[in-house]
Amino acid sequence: DVKVTQSSRYLVKRTGEKVFLECVQDMDHENMFWYRQDPGLGLRLIYFSYDVKMKEKGDIPEGYSVSREKKERFSLILESASTNQTSMYLCASSLKAGGTTEAFFGQGTRLTVV
Amino acid sequence: AQSVTQLGSHVSVSEGALVLLRCNYSSSVPPYLFWYVQYPNQGLQLLLKYTTGATLVKGINGFEAEFKKSETSFHLTKPSAHMSDAAEYFCAVTSYQAGTALIFGKGTTLSVSS
Repeated sequence: DVKVTQSSRYLVKRTGEKVFLECVQDMDHENMFWYRQDPGLGLRLIYFSYDVKMKEKGDIPEGYSVSREKKERFSLILESASTNQTSMYLCASSLKAGGTTEAFFGQGTRLTVV
Repeated sequence: AQSVTQLGSHVSVSEGALVLLRCNYSSSVPPYLFWYVQYPNQGLQLLLKYTTGATLVKGINGFEAEFKKSETSFHLTKPSAHMSDAAEYFCAVTSYQAGTALIFGKGTTLSVSS
């Protein structure tokens, strides 16, 4: 089975902190995605990557950056956490560029910024 | 750009009744379409997908969806609802083109009453 692992299920951080959310997949997938999920807003795409060191902005990239130095790992960085970034963050991966196969999701990280 | 609209943020049915969750998409290229389900405190799980070929696709747990290009729709149905179907359902779109993001709708919460 494909496994997408997010480093933490729950995180509490202070305003202004730099926050790292890590995601690792074990199936050699090319595509990786970061979403945030908020009630009534569904999943909104923050960034995605279709290859190592490649990244594309999604719909809501402001306040975030990403890093993909190795194929299996995709990190989301909150440069200076703010309370409006309190949310559920979901990482996903899929096999082929172009989306021919489905995305597999991690369990999510619930981030609270206080 | 691609987008997804899910009509109805909340759908309620009785056990044994027909389930119909609506999804309309926008895409300038042939779309690949997905339905995912999310149970409380869990990650997203693929229900079914359409890429090419047969427009009526069957998924897990008795769900199916029909791709209608003329209506730009991909509605999800199940003939007879079960209590265990209560969850949040997400429709998503991408395409065959490399580097295309996977875009989700805002989700529909399905409630099933006995």
